[in-house]
Amino acid sequence: GENVEQHPSTLSVQEGDSAVIKCTYSDSASNYFPWYKQELGKRPQLIIDIRSNVGEKKDQRIAVTLNKTAKHFSLHITETQPEDSAVYFCAAYTGGFKTIFGAGTRLFVKA
Amino acid sequence: KAGVTQTPRYLIKTRGQQVTLSCSPISGHRSVSWYQQTPGQGLQFLFEYFSETQRNKGNFPGRFSGRQFSNSRSEMNVSTLELGDSALYLCASSRAGGAFTDTQYFGPGTRLTVL
Repeated sequence: GENVEQHPSTLSVQEGDSAVIKCTYSDSASNYFPWYKQELGKRPQLIIDIRSNVGEKKDQRIAVTLNKTAKHFSLHITETQPEDSAVYFCAAYTGGFKTIFGAGTRLFVKA
Repeated sequence: KAGVTQTPRYLIKTRGQQVTLSCSPISGHRSVSWYQQTPGQGLQFLFEYFSETQRNKGNFPGRFSGRQFSNSRSEMNVSTLELGDSALYLCASSRAGGAFTDTQYFGPGTRLTVL
């Protein structure tokens, strides 16, 4: 069935370091890959997304890469700051009006 | 523009009862999706509605149902509640979903506790 695996489940970095979160999807028909950030007690919010016809997208300190052949996509956060601490979810739109989410990565940025 | 709203924000029910949750999408958004969020499980897709029609549903038992009204507001219902139904229920709206794969905006969620 459709599945999105996300790693690691927990990530701890020093302020200023980079953080990388990786996801793998199973449905080769997936064509849209959003990333959401969820702070404690708050709703998930979109931080960046990428469509299947693009290999990389960048927005300030955040970038996402997509390897369609390997069915992998990754989130890169550079120069991490304490306010980046949150849970990050990757997701894949599988078609059929359905989005599958990864289990989440809890990112801790130590000051 | 007002964001996605959900009511109630918190609910406490006992096993065997039923519950109805409501979601009002952003004005102009016609697609509403529902998700169940539990610790360590991420967001599990429940169903998606567009123009009062359910276009897809996730792998949940028939106790979970939903509907959408002509003004795009959506409700989900859970009957015969079980302890394992305790979760945060999130809805998300988008303009049309589907082939447009446009951004989903989430509501604050309804925290359901089943005792």
